Amino acid sequence: GQNIDQPTEMTATEGAIVQINCTYQTSGFNGLFWYQQHAGEAPTFLSYNVLDGLEEKGRFSSFLSRSKGYSYLLLKELQMKDSASYLCAVRDGDYKLSFGAGTTVTVRA
Amino acid sequence: IAGITQAPTSQILAAGRRMTLRCTQDMRHNAMYWYRQDLGLGLRLIHYSNTAGTTGKGEVPDGYSVSRANTDDFPLTLASAVPSQTSVYFCASSESGGGTDTQYFGPGTRLTVL
Repeated sequence: GQNIDQPTEMTATEGAIVQINCTYQTSGFNGLFWYQQHAGEAPTFLSYNVLDGLEEKGRFSSFLSRSKGYSYLLLKELQMKDSASYLCAVRDGDYKLSFGAGTTVTVRA
Repeated sequence: IAGITQAPTSQILAAGRRMTLRCTQDMRHNAMYWYRQDLGLGLRLIHYSNTAGTTGKGEVPDGYSVSRANTDDFPLTLASAVPSQTSVYFCASSESGGGTDTQYFGPGTRLTVL
């Protein structure tokens, strides 16, 4: 089975930066995804990493270290609309996605 | 508008009843998936299909069945619902199921089994 860990909750102030960490242990590795999920809605795709390093996409960046089984999602210039759950998901050797339980980020004014 | 639709949006069901959750996508994606999402547990894969005519079991398949008669539709059936199947169910699809494939999710079905 897969083991994916991420913090349950984080709180930050509007305009600040928040880093959400994800550690994983999987049988095989074919990429790591981050999804955003607002309350009562479907998850939506944010980023994908398969090689080590940083991928930047506007205010959001995602980092991967395969040797350490570690990723983080960096949210910059936080806005109220960024209040949501952020899901870390790892694609294993069979190309199946396993999800972490999600990190709920609350942005305060 | 291209995407994935699910029906019903929500349902309250008596234990022991049979229920089919519907999922349709119009993106001509080959792969489709069913997940359940429970508080504190995240999304867990129930069943998947890499192409029309084939299906496979995910992490939590017991009590559920699926079929994939064509590319667009992927219904999930609970033959005899039990309270532990109370959950939010998400259908997803992706182009091929491999490579740099990204999964796209439907709006979900909230199911309560009493």
